[in-house]
Amino acid sequence: QVQLVQSGPELKKPGASVKVSCRASGYTFTSFGITWVRQAPGQGLEWMGWISGYNRNANYAQKLQGRVTMTTDTSASTAYMELRSLKSDDTAVYFCARGSGYELLDSWGQGTLVTVSS
Amino acid sequence: EIVLTQSPGTLSLSPGEGATLSCRASQSVSRSDLAWYQQRPGQSPRLLIYGPSSRASGIPDRFSGSGSGTDFTLAISRLEPEDFAVYYCHQFGSSPPTFGQGTRLEIK
Repeated sequence: QVQLVQSGPELKKPGASVKVSCRASGYTFTSFGITWVRQAPGQGLEWMGWISGYNRNANYAQKLQGRVTMTTDTSASTAYMELRSLKSDDTAVYFCARGSGYELLDSWGQGTLVTVSS
Repeated sequence: EIVLTQSPGTLSLSPGEGATLSCRASQSVSRSDLAWYQQRPGQSPRLLIYGPSSRASGIPDRFSGSGSGTDFTLAISRLEPEDFAVYYCHQFGSSPPTFGQGTRLEIK
């Protein structure tokens, strides 16, 4: 069955960077995109962007442009999301999900809590 | 950017009752580009309905979706205890993809 397993929780100081991983199994990694969505405490879902598992093209939310980079390691069936210059309002649970920016999201990772605090 | 507005914000019902959740889009959305997700406390979102009336694998037929254009509805009949959760609509036909703010379904 399709499974997305994310890396563990992170505690970062303001101004630092964080890199979250998402290891996929149960399907052909290059046939699907990976979308990243975040959820601040007590809030709704925010679309961050997506990356193609096929050609590694990425598309980011405008508000995160310049601070976020999404990459993949096809040999490891793993997607990565790096967020730089962290601020306190980047504190959130970060989810990866299978699907491109033009598709529904049919499988989700378990989420990674990123806490930004001095 | 298409804004999705869900109503009501919170819905208080009892097990066994039926629920109707609304998702209204600021611009027309293709029927095939709208999905609903359920998020239980402490869990990841789970795909429920797409297309907008097809159920995802394993989703009971108590859940149904309908709508077109700018108005979409998720209906849940005979509420079970595990149905009390937050529900999000999601459009992915227009870039950027967007989510509604969610409807919280709580036990009355």
